[in-house]
Amino acid sequence: GAVVSQHPSWVICKSGTSVKIECRSLDFQATTMFWYRQFPKQSLMLMATSNEGSKATYEQGVEKDKFLINHASLTLSTLTVTSAHPEDSSFYICSARDPLRVGTYEQYFGPGTRLTVT
Amino acid sequence: SQQGEEDPQALSIQEGENATMNCSYKTSINNLQWYRQNSGRGLVHLILIRSNEREKHSGRLRVTLDTSKKSSSLLITASRAADTASYFCATVVSTLGRLYFGRGTQLTVWP
Repeated sequence: GAVVSQHPSWVICKSGTSVKIECRSLDFQATTMFWYRQFPKQSLMLMATSNEGSKATYEQGVEKDKFLINHASLTLSTLTVTSAHPEDSSFYICSARDPLRVGTYEQYFGPGTRLTVT
Repeated sequence: SQQGEEDPQALSIQEGENATMNCSYKTSINNLQWYRQNSGRGLVHLILIRSNEREKHSGRLRVTLDTSKKSSSLLITASRAADTASYFCATVVSTLGRLYFGRGTQLTVWP
C-alpha cells in the first residue's frame, strides 16, 4: 500500500528558531500533499495544500510567512515553521494523494511530527 | 475550518459489544470518510462513502450517510480491545480532495 513518511518524528527547538519537517511519499509520486496540525485531544486542522511545482494553497487563518511549504519534487514536501514560538508546539501531520487513485479521494497519512518549542 | 462534529466525544464499551459513532457536517459534500488514529500516530483510512450512497460495509464496519440530515454514522460490530483508538469523520467538499475533520470520538474497548 501507499506509504508516507515524516522526518523527524519529534523535535524540540528554542523559541525564535526555525524548524523544517519533511514529508515523503515512499512508493508513489504525489503531486498533491496536505499539511495538518493537531492539538492534544483535538481534531486535525488542515493548514495548507502543497502542490508540486507551484505555490501552496493556505487555509484561512494560516500564516503563509510563518509556515513555509515547499513541494520541490513529486515525493517530497517540506513544512518550515519559522521563528517558532511555544504556541506553535503541536503535532504536525502530512498526507498525500496517489494521482493514480485520485478518484478514490483516499489520503495516505504520515506518522506525524511532534514539535515542542521551549 | 472543521466540517464535522462527532458524537459522542468518548465511548467506553466491553469487547464484543457494538460501537456506534455519529458525525454531523455543515455543507454539501462530495464524499465522507472515516479515519482511525491510534494515540500519537498518523491516521489510517477506514472507509469512504460517496454523497449518492446511503450505506456501505467493510468487514466489521458499517457506515451510513444521510445527506438530508447532513449526518453519518460508523458502526463497529463485535468490537475488540485492538479497536481502541480515536475515530474521525472527514468530509470532502470538492474534487480538490481537501479533508475537513470533525473533533473525533475516543473509543475505548475493555477486554
